[in-house]
Parts: sequence; structure tokens; C-alpha cells
Amino acid sequence: LAKTTQPISMDSYEGQEVNITCSHNNIATNDYITWYQQFPSQGPRFIIQGYKTKVTNEVASLFIPADRKSSTLSLPRVSLSDTAVYYCLVGDENRDDKIIFGKGTRLHILP
Amino acid sequence: EAQVTQNPRYLITVTGKKLTVTCSQNMNHEYMSWYRQDPGLGLRQIYYSMNVEVTDKGDVPEGYKVSRKEKRNFPLILESPSPNQTSLYFCASSLSPAGPGNTIYFGEGSWLTVV
Repeated sequence: LAKTTQPISMDSYEGQEVNITCSHNNIATNDYITWYQQFPSQGPRFIIQGYKTKVTNEVASLFIPADRKSSTLSLPRVSLSDTAVYYCLVGDENRDDKIIFGKGTRLHILP
Repeated sequence: EAQVTQNPRYLITVTGKKLTVTCSQNMNHEYMSWYRQDPGLGLRQIYYSMNVEVTDKGDVPEGYKVSRKEKRNFPLILESPSPNQTSLYFCASSLSPAGPGNTIYFGEGSWLTVV
């Protein structure tokens, strides 16, 4: 998987939109970008995946610029229950074997 | 329902007493892996398996063994546990390590304490 860099932690308030950016300068042509969310003492769970431009689902949006060297996970109108660690993974099924989650971004939502 | 089941969920054991943490998935996934999570260190991959009888080391394999005799099962073996292996362990499975449409499913975690 491509090396990724995310902020270690972020704070926000309930009702705000939160954007978490992940840098992946060495992303390869066939790599997809996937985000996972982890609550304390639980395993991570899939949030969203994209290849380019914008992807939206019921939970979040993922913005990917044309050069694909970064991506931004956008969480609309966060609540206290969005407090979690968010991980960005970048990889390709035909090239990668190890999966590296790293430390992710610890998001803390304040009332 | 897609599930990754690991057991035991909680275990306190003594140094040197061999133990096995089982992991089973019901999604016919080829890729399975084990992680440990420690405060401030994130998720670190211990071992992974691309398919039956194919296993390889992750980033922190020392002190652990695995086997993949059947597609659905991927047990983690601690031959001689030591206190530095006290951690939260997760088993995970997916069709592949990465790529389009690929989702990694995690078990609920196993809290292991070695005294």
C-alpha cells in the first residue's frame, strides 16, 4: 500500500462539518482510496471508497483532486457519536499484500 | 450476515502458557490477517494469509505463529506468551488486501493479558 499521512488528531463541535485530509503522494495508477472508522475497543469498519473526483454515501463524502495525491473525508453535521479514529488506506489488489493502517486521525467531537 | 468471529474475547494468562486465539469468517474470503492494537501505536499487522496454506509475516510477527489449513479459519498462536504481548487483538478478512469494492471486515477483538 502507498504510504499515507494524516493528522494525528482533530477536535470539532457537534453540528459542524469535519474534513480530514490524507496525503498519499506516491499513489499508483490503479490504487483506490478507502477510509475506515474505529470506535474504542471495536474493529475498524468501512466508511467509503473512491478512485477520483467525488464519492458520497449516507455516511460521508470523499473528495479526490485530479492529481490524486491527497483525499479528504468529509463528515457532515457531526455528532458526539462520530468521535472515533479514522484511517486512510491506499492500495491495489494486484500489487499489495500487507495492509498498513497506521495511527489514523483521532477525531474528538465536543458538545 | 457477514461475520468474523474470534475467541476468546477476554483472556488472562500466565507467562509461558501456550494459547490460541481462534478466528473464523463466513464470507469465503481469501485474505485474512491478525492485528494488535496498543495505545499510541495504532493497528499493527502481525501475520496475514493470501489463501489456504499461504501465510506471511506482517510488521510485528515475533512471538506469534499462524496457520491456514481451511479457508474460513485463521488461528493466532502464542507459543510462549510474555507480558509484552498484552494487547487488544483483531482478526480481519477480505476478498483481497486492497482494491475496488474491497471491504475489510474485523472481528470484535480479543483482550489478552499476560501476567
